[in-house]
Amino acid sequence: SQQGEEDPQALSIQEGENATMNCSYKTSINNLQWYRQNSGRGLVHLILIRSNEREKHSGRLRVTLDTSKKSSSLLITASRAADTASYFCATVLLTGGGNKLTFGTGTQLKVEL
Amino acid sequence: DARVTQTPRHKVTEMGQEVTMRCQPILGHNTVFWYRQTMMQGLELLAYFRNRAPLDDSGMPKDRFSAEMPDATLATLKIQPSEPRDSAVYFCASGPTGSSYEQYFGPGTRLTVT
Repeated sequence: SQQGEEDPQALSIQEGENATMNCSYKTSINNLQWYRQNSGRGLVHLILIRSNEREKHSGRLRVTLDTSKKSSSLLITASRAADTASYFCATVLLTGGGNKLTFGTGTQLKVEL
Repeated sequence: DARVTQTPRHKVTEMGQEVTMRCQPILGHNTVFWYRQTMMQGLELLAYFRNRAPLDDSGMPKDRFSAEMPDATLATLKIQPSEPRDSAVYFCASGPTGSSYEQYFGPGTRLTVT
């Protein structure tokens, strides 16, 4: 199965609320990344967190990483309708994978006005 | 504003025909990736190049798929012969090497094989 599994599969919230998505993975990683995909478009890199980091911020995004639990979470604060998209976590293996990314199953986020 | 470009954006073809998809990576990026996205399987890595050399194509059906980088500005993915199960969106991505691992995706080629 895929390296990353995401939870929930789908999330619907009101504009202004926070959205939290979780990702679990199975093997040791070099780093974990989050990407966004708008319907019918390519993926866009959002944020990267390295295995020796626990938390990272970028604008309204907050990512945490717990390597002991092999899990990560993405928090989007004060969500906007424009945040409606699918969000994927992706991992780079610690060894043997080079620059390859293994993607999770994704969370579909819908932000309603 | 550097972007990965892919052509064609849409392709409809009949089973048995050859399909060629093209990708122009971002100038200066020396890793190139091909992915396939379907509802059932999600995003799957098909092939991975570094400095134009194929490093990993284990995700690609070898009997019908081939991926090449004739030069640093062009990557191609060919399917011959195509089958209905190949219908998917195919993404190309490029990335710099070193300690930077993020990838930059093209808009994708939506392939429909009838």
